[in-house]
Amino acid sequence: EIVMTQSPATLSVSPGERATLSCRASQSVSSDLAWYQQKPGQAPRLLIYGASTRATGIPARFSGSGSGTEFTLTISSLQSEDFAVYYCQQYNNWPPYTFGQGTKLEIK
Amino acid sequence: QVQLVQSGGEVKKPGASVKVSCKASGYTFTNYGISWVRQAPGQGLEWMGWISAYNGNTNYAQKFQDRVTMTTDTSTSTVYMELRSLRSDDTAVYYCGRDLIQVSAIPGYWGQGTLVTVSS
Repeated sequence: EIVMTQSPATLSVSPGERATLSCRASQSVSSDLAWYQQKPGQAPRLLIYGASTRATGIPARFSGSGSGTEFTLTISSLQSEDFAVYYCQQYNNWPPYTFGQGTKLEIK
Repeated sequence: QVQLVQSGGEVKKPGASVKVSCKASGYTFTNYGISWVRQAPGQGLEWMGWISAYNGNTNYAQKFQDRVTMTTDTSTSTVYMELRSLRSDDTAVYYCGRDLIQVSAIPGYWGQGTLVTVSS
């Protein structure tokens, strides 16, 4: 089973600033990596797939990069609605398609 | 528009079974698979498995292999997830998610979630 490790667990950033979230895979997942945003009481929302392709309707301030075992989600200028928990998920090798443990992005 | 509507919350006793439904609309049902993901209270996301709505093929996480069954009913565009031998640590919100791209198992559209509570 591929283990996905996200860092940091919590990230405190001021609105308007840039946020950088990391995700590491225990073995290569090529570019088969997705990012999700989840707000309290809501279902997850797909942001990025293929490591760097934005899903439909996702603002351009969200960008993904990386391949192999190291991945990054960058939010270029944080808006109030961006404060949430973010998860990465690999879909290269199943079962299972494992998630990271999440990074909570909070207002500084 | 793509919609996934899940069944309502359930309260079950340890050892019982639960069957959660996920009714799809707004697209051709058999063209996309459905994943099931759960989230225990205050915890992260856990992938449980995937089913093809085209032919019913399934792929389950080994953790749930012996206790879960995912099925489809093409006549009603509904997917079901049954979990047996429930334990207290199965208490969670269960989500269904439709493939973003055919046979990708990337959930691009999600149901609202179903809370299953296991308690004696």
